[in-house]
Amino acid sequence: KAGVTQTPRYLIKTRGQQVTLSCSPISGHRSVSWYQQTPGQGLQFLFEYFSETQRNKGNFPGRFSGRQFSNSRSEMNVSTLELGDSALYLCASSRGATQETQYFGPGTRLLVL
Amino acid sequence: EDQVTQSPEALRLQEGESSSLNCSYTVSGLRGLFWYRQDPGKGPEFLFTLYSAGEEKEKERLKATLTKKESFLHITAPKPEDSATYLCAVQRGFGNEKLTFGTGTRLTIIP
Repeated sequence: KAGVTQTPRYLIKTRGQQVTLSCSPISGHRSVSWYQQTPGQGLQFLFEYFSETQRNKGNFPGRFSGRQFSNSRSEMNVSTLELGDSALYLCASSRGATQETQYFGPGTRLLVL
Repeated sequence: EDQVTQSPEALRLQEGESSSLNCSYTVSGLRGLFWYRQDPGKGPEFLFTLYSAGEEKEKERLKATLTKKESFLHITAPKPEDSATYLCAVQRGFGNEKLTFGTGTRLTIIP
């Protein structure tokens, strides 16, 4: 069974640009969550999608947005990039029911110059 | 607000030297406590889920336990390949899939 896949794996952008990251969940999983990981803050929850609907949202500015498609694949977008957005962006999937384990992808490393 | 505190921040052990990592948590209505292992530059790898106080789970040299306020990850006779950052996370429950993570314990096993 294939795991969670994320593309691209690495990105370099400049301040003010926007970026779109993609996540394909494990087959049969309907929930996709996104996290930002930085050395200073650790893993911070961005948002979670279930059946194409945003179900939960973390404390990030509106520049961070996402969506989920009918096949459960998800994208997140960051507009007007800032230097502080440099991080490892992780996607995790689960079946979406209570107490379900979330399985993480390898992440997308974003560097903003 | 949910809080997770892990200690120590870093731990260096000799190969074969057993020890424990601690995860203290404050959450309203805990539904699950999760342990992950993360290697540098990779995503977290799932280890265990614990649901209720008194529960224990084992996998190879690792054993996780849960009380009402904390969880321990016991490492018995560790090997160099056990070197990684170990992350603890809590989840509230259905309709709130958000995981709140601790900052992790960086474990180094010296041959």
